[in-house]
Amino acid sequence: GAGVSQSPSNKVTEKGKDVELRCDPISGHTALYWYRQSLGQGLEFLIYFQGNSAPDKSGLPSDRFSAERTGGSVSTLTIQRTQQEDSAVYLCASCQWAGGHNEQFFGPGTRLTVL
Amino acid sequence: KNQVEQSPQSLIILEGKNCTLQCNYTVSPFSNLRWYKQDTGRGPVSLTIMTFSENTKSNGRYTATLDADTKQSSLHITASQLSDSASYICVVSAQAGTALIFGKGTTLSVSS
Repeated sequence: GAGVSQSPSNKVTEKGKDVELRCDPISGHTALYWYRQSLGQGLEFLIYFQGNSAPDKSGLPSDRFSAERTGGSVSTLTIQRTQQEDSAVYLCASCQWAGGHNEQFFGPGTRLTVL
Repeated sequence: KNQVEQSPQSLIILEGKNCTLQCNYTVSPFSNLRWYKQDTGRGPVSLTIMTFSENTKSNGRYTATLDADTKQSSLHITASQLSDSASYICVVSAQAGTALIFGKGTTLSVSS
């Protein structure tokens, strides 16, 4: 079956604009994660969703960042009033359940460039 | 503070040679350690996952080791191929169900 997909693959925006990034997880996966990968840095956890539970938002860097997951499937990460330091690759991952041993499958990422 | 440190930062080897990548972590309590391979422009792909009780795990030419006492792991690549050129990321999970802690990765370049 299809893996995790993300769109767009690339996004260039002007400082101050809002952007929406989309993630389609693997069908049936109950857990979904968003990460940010800046140049030369490791992946940084942003937020994760597990079933119908309240999401863990502890990694979101500011209140300009938000995410939602509709119907337990597709997720959208929204960045409001983008800043240049938001430029990074945003990766989405899903796994069958959020147990620690369960493998996370990553999407190809969205490369965001804020001018 | 939970951290994952990897070395070397980058590595260049000739095709056919072996290499070993290192990972040290201070994550506690420890749940499991994973090695991922990330090709340029792609998402990370899991190579191995090891729990506290596992000392070694192999996946083809990739062999990972874990010493939970010293909090060290290594990834050994045997008979390297050009397609092994990628970033190799060590990832540690502190607890089941929570986010993972990623190292910055080792960039491996295999040349002919």
